[in-house]
Amino acid sequence: DVKVTQSSRYLVKRTGEKVFLECVQDMDHENMFWYRQDPGLGLRLIYFSYDVKMKEKGDIPEGYSVSREKKERFSLILESASTNQTSMYLCASRADGVNEQYFGPGTRLTVT
Amino acid sequence: KNEVEQSPQNLTAQEGEFITINCSYSVGISALHWLQQHPGGGIVSLFMLSSGKKKHGRLIATINIQEKHSSLHITASHPRDSAVYICADGGSQGNLIFGKGTKLSVKP
Repeated sequence: DVKVTQSSRYLVKRTGEKVFLECVQDMDHENMFWYRQDPGLGLRLIYFSYDVKMKEKGDIPEGYSVSREKKERFSLILESASTNQTSMYLCASRADGVNEQYFGPGTRLTVT
Repeated sequence: KNEVEQSPQNLTAQEGEFITINCSYSVGISALHWLQQHPGGGIVSLFMLSSGKKKHGRLIATINIQEKHSSLHITASHPRDSAVYICADGGSQGNLIFGKGTKLSVKP
C-alpha cells in the first residue's frame, strides 16, 4: 500500500514563527503536492513538485515556500506564520503517467 | 479556466435512503475523481472514471461526457457513510481541480 505520512496531525504556532510541515511518501512517486483545505473553499493547491529540487507554484503560493531535496520528502515552509494561515494542510503524491493521487492524513495548523 | 461545481453542499439522510451527489465541470477532462474524507482529515480515492459507470459495493459513479456531469450514488446508506465527498477533475499536468465538497450526514 502507498503510504503518505505527515510530520504532525495537530500543530499550534505563534504569529511570526517559522513553520515546517513535512511529508514523506514511500512509493517512489515523482510528483508531490501541498494543499490547504478551508471550509467553503475546498482544497487549493499551494505548490507541487515533479522531481527532486523542482517546484512549481500552485494557485495560492503567497506566504509559503517548499523544499524537495530527496525524492520521498516534500516540505512546506511558512516563513512567518500568520493567523490567516490557520488551516488543514494536506500532502499528496502521484506517480508519473498515473492520474490517482494518494493523500496524507493532514496537519491541522492553528496560528495564534 | 476549469471549474468543478458540486451539489448539494450539505446533505442529511436517514439510514437506508438512496443518495445522489452531483458534479459538473466546465472543460473536457482526462479523468473525473470521486474522493471521500472522513472526520479527522484523511482523503481516500473512491473512483476514477473517464466514461460510463463504475460500481464498488454500495457506491456507484457515473459520468456523462457530453453533458460534463458526474454523479455519485450511495444505495442503502448507513451512518458510516457520513463523510465529505469531493469530486475532482484530472486537469493538466496531473493536477487535480477540486469541487468544494458535499458533507453527507446519515442518521440512524
